[in-house]
Amino acid sequence: DAGVIQSPRHEVTEMGQEVTLRCKPISGHDYLFWYRQTMMRGLELLIYFNNNVPIDDSGMPEDRFSAKMPNASFSTLKIQPSEPRDSAVYFCASSPGTGSYEQYFGPGTRLTVT
Amino acid sequence: QKEVEQDPGPLSVPEGAIVSLNCTYSNSAFQYFMWYRQYSRKGPELLMYTYSSGNKEDGRFTAQVDKSSKYISLFIRDSQPSDSATYLCAVYNFNKFYFGSGTKLNVKP
Repeated sequence: DAGVIQSPRHEVTEMGQEVTLRCKPISGHDYLFWYRQTMMRGLELLIYFNNNVPIDDSGMPEDRFSAKMPNASFSTLKIQPSEPRDSAVYFCASSPGTGSYEQYFGPGTRLTVT
Repeated sequence: QKEVEQDPGPLSVPEGAIVSLNCTYSNSAFQYFMWYRQYSRKGPELLMYTYSSGNKEDGRFTAQVDKSSKYISLFIRDSQPSDSATYLCAVYNFNKFYFGSGTKLNVKP
């Protein structure tokens, strides 16, 4: 398996623009997680899905952030409008199933908002 | 209070040294504890996990959990330059993972 795939790997955009980050989880994994990593706050869970259904979005910072998982092999994280403080590395991770402590991370998307 | 607290370092040691990385956690109900390794500009990768208290050894790495003091440790023996990375501790509870901020380790040749 190719592992968790994320695109784009780097994104530079101007404040106010819409940003869409994409993730393909490992086939057969039931859980998908979106994280944000910054020097100041470390790795923060934004939202996670189970079988394509959002379960906990309490980590989503504001209404400007939204996430979807239309099918088992694809998820998006959208920021609209983007702000400079959204600059961070965004990771997607997937996990096999309920009770599994194993989590596999993608390479991340490095977002810079100017 | 954050679920997991970790000294960010950085920690610099000579090759061959024994490294000790530590975290504390807040909730005594946590049962699953993990260590992730993250190389620069890469995603974290699971290094080791332990359930409840005790030690777990894997080659040069030993993970230790002390539930009485809510303390998690990772020991690296005979450290190598290739061990240079950021190490994140994590706990797992009801399908959610809580991460420490990471300790950056540099092993000098």
